[in-house]
Amino acid sequence: NAGVTQTPKFQVLKTGQSMTLQCAQDMNHEYMSWYRQDPGMGLRLIHYSVGAGITDQGEVPNGYNVSRSTTEDFPLRLLSAAPSQTSVYFCASRTIAKNIQYFGAGTRLSVL
Amino acid sequence: SQQGEEDPQALSIQEGENATMNCSYKTSINNLQWYRQNSGRGLVHLILIRSNEREKHSGRLRVTLDTSKKSSSLLITASRAADTASYFCATDAPGGSEKLVFGKGTKLTVNP
Repeated sequence: NAGVTQTPKFQVLKTGQSMTLQCAQDMNHEYMSWYRQDPGMGLRLIHYSVGAGITDQGEVPNGYNVSRSTTEDFPLRLLSAAPSQTSVYFCASRTIAKNIQYFGAGTRLSVL
Repeated sequence: SQQGEEDPQALSIQEGENATMNCSYKTSINNLQWYRQNSGRGLVHLILIRSNEREKHSGRLRVTLDTSKKSSSLLITASRAADTASYFCATDAPGGSEKLVFGKGTKLTVNP
């Protein structure tokens, strides 16, 4: 069972570079979310999606874009990376029927 | 802003002892969940308690919920070194259950 798969696991960017963090789930879950985790801050919601073609902003959406063209994939785009985006990023998914989230292993991003 | 806040921030105990972590939240909820995060890994769901439940058990885990005090506790009995991890409470956000809001976590260390 693959569950929620995130790639890459590690990434180093220079300020101003762009990149896409990939997230895929094979559980046919309707809901998908992106969180960032910073020391002492817990997890903060960036963007989420309740189904293909539907996305919405979370608590800290600035600097990030998302799209949901399929049920399986929910990529997170950084258009112009900033040092403040240095963090660990987690993708999660869940089904409508249950409020239990399944998390990927995370992407550790450093912006220099 | 975080809905749930865990207490204490860090807890260190000996193997075999019980560990108790607390979570306080600010507004009414539909349910409250506890997650575990091992170092460098994603979060794993432990237990969900609904707002109309007062106590729930799962193996060595016992969760209580006091909606009048807006608080929950997670008790791990007979702790093991493998229980060393960070523990987070999560509540569904006010106004809807599409989003989960996580606290900052309690870092538990179980010494062998």
